[in-house]
Amino acid sequence: SAVISQKPSRDICQRGTSLTIQCQVDSQVTMMFWYRQQPGQSLTLIATANQGSEATYESGFVIDKFPISRPNLTFSTLTVSNMSPEDSSIYLCSVAPGWAMNTEAFFGQGTRLTVV
Amino acid sequence: GIQVEQSPPDLILQEGANSTLRCNFSDSVNNLQWFHQNPWGQLINLFYIPSGTKQNGRLSATTVATERYSLLYISSSQTTDSGVYFCAALNQGGKLIFGQGTELSVKP
Repeated sequence: SAVISQKPSRDICQRGTSLTIQCQVDSQVTMMFWYRQQPGQSLTLIATANQGSEATYESGFVIDKFPISRPNLTFSTLTVSNMSPEDSSIYLCSVAPGWAMNTEAFFGQGTRLTVV
Repeated sequence: GIQVEQSPPDLILQEGANSTLRCNFSDSVNNLQWFHQNPWGQLINLFYIPSGTKQNGRLSATTVATERYSLLYISSSQTTDSGVYFCAALNQGGKLIFGQGTELSVKP
């Protein structure tokens, strides 16, 4: 299993500003994943972050809007840039410790972002 | 890509009732998980069940991989069971694909 600490848990931000969300894992993991959950919707994968290389973004998500850092095997950040009210969502990070072996995925507590 | 469909989308139960939630997936999967999302948005792992049957207290799950579906059973429901239940399937590319969820409301 894995314990993931994600912060902040919630924030209210002004439009046009940026917010950086941090995700810390209690063990080394190869891949970390970032998801967005818009109000009343399911989870959508934003990008996959591998240590030492650029993140891989899903269709509809771009690096300029959601830059990701992965400086080591236990930590990652997601920045939501130049925010607008449409960015109001829950953002979650996830790891699958045995990713190469298709094992169980675990999620952080989530960051509830409101943009005003 | 793989499609994950959940039913029903909404469910209202009286406390003490039983329920079955269904998850259909369109292609073979390497992993199938069930989650409960609490009112604060946190995803709680319920089951990792690529195949077979597992039980944990009042909850149990069955995945029939050959027929591409999974079921989550909730017995003797309690108000604390309320929230959204998601199933998610791991596709061949290693990405977790979520269904749209079942929103459960248990009334006292």
